[in-house]
Amino acid sequence: DIQMTQSPSTLSASVGDSVTITCRASQSITSWLAWYQQKPGKAPRLLISKASSLESGVPSRFSGSGSGTEFTLTISSLQPDDFATYYCQQYNSYPETFGQGTKVEIK
Amino acid sequence: EAQLLESGGGLAQPGGSLRLSCAASGFTFSDYAMSWVRQAPGKGLEWVSLLSARGDTTYYADSVKGRFTISRDNSKNTLYLQMNSLRAEDTAVYYCAKAPASVCSTSCYRNVWGQGTTVTVSS
Repeated sequence: DIQMTQSPSTLSASVGDSVTITCRASQSITSWLAWYQQKPGKAPRLLISKASSLESGVPSRFSGSGSGTEFTLTISSLQPDDFATYYCQQYNSYPETFGQGTKVEIK
Repeated sequence: EAQLLESGGGLAQPGGSLRLSCAASGFTFSDYAMSWVRQAPGKGLEWVSLLSARGDTTYYADSVKGRFTISRDNSKNTLYLQMNSLRAEDTAVYYCAKAPASVCSTSCYRNVWGQGTTVTVSS
């Protein structure tokens, strides 16, 4: 199975900050990576697919990059609505696997 | 707008069974692969199973293989998850989620999620 490791596990930031979350795969997944946002008690929401393709309706302050085994999600100017937990998911092969999550908290 | 609505969760005893349902609307259900993803209390997301659009190809996580069965009724726009031989570690919120394609031969991301239904396995 491909292991997905996110860092950091928790990130404290202020409104307006630029933040970056890293996701590392245990083997190459080319660009088959998605990012999701989840708020407490809510379902995940797709933000980005194929490592860098922004989903329709997602604000442009979200961006993704990377290929192979290392990927990043960047939020360029953190807004109050962005405080949430973020997950990466590899869909290169079964079983599909998720990172453990990164919680973005208010500093 | 595409929507998914899960039902069927509840309390089950260890070794018991439950059947989850997911009613889809706002898109052509029969055109897309569908899946179940779960989240144990305070934990991350765990993929459970995926079913192709025509219902002829299934994939399961090792943790549920042989105990859970995914199925669909395209005439009713509904996805199911039959869960047998339940264990305490199956306790989770179960999400129904739509794939962006009819077949996910090497897996897919999910572009629509339901609100989830809670399954608790306890004596």
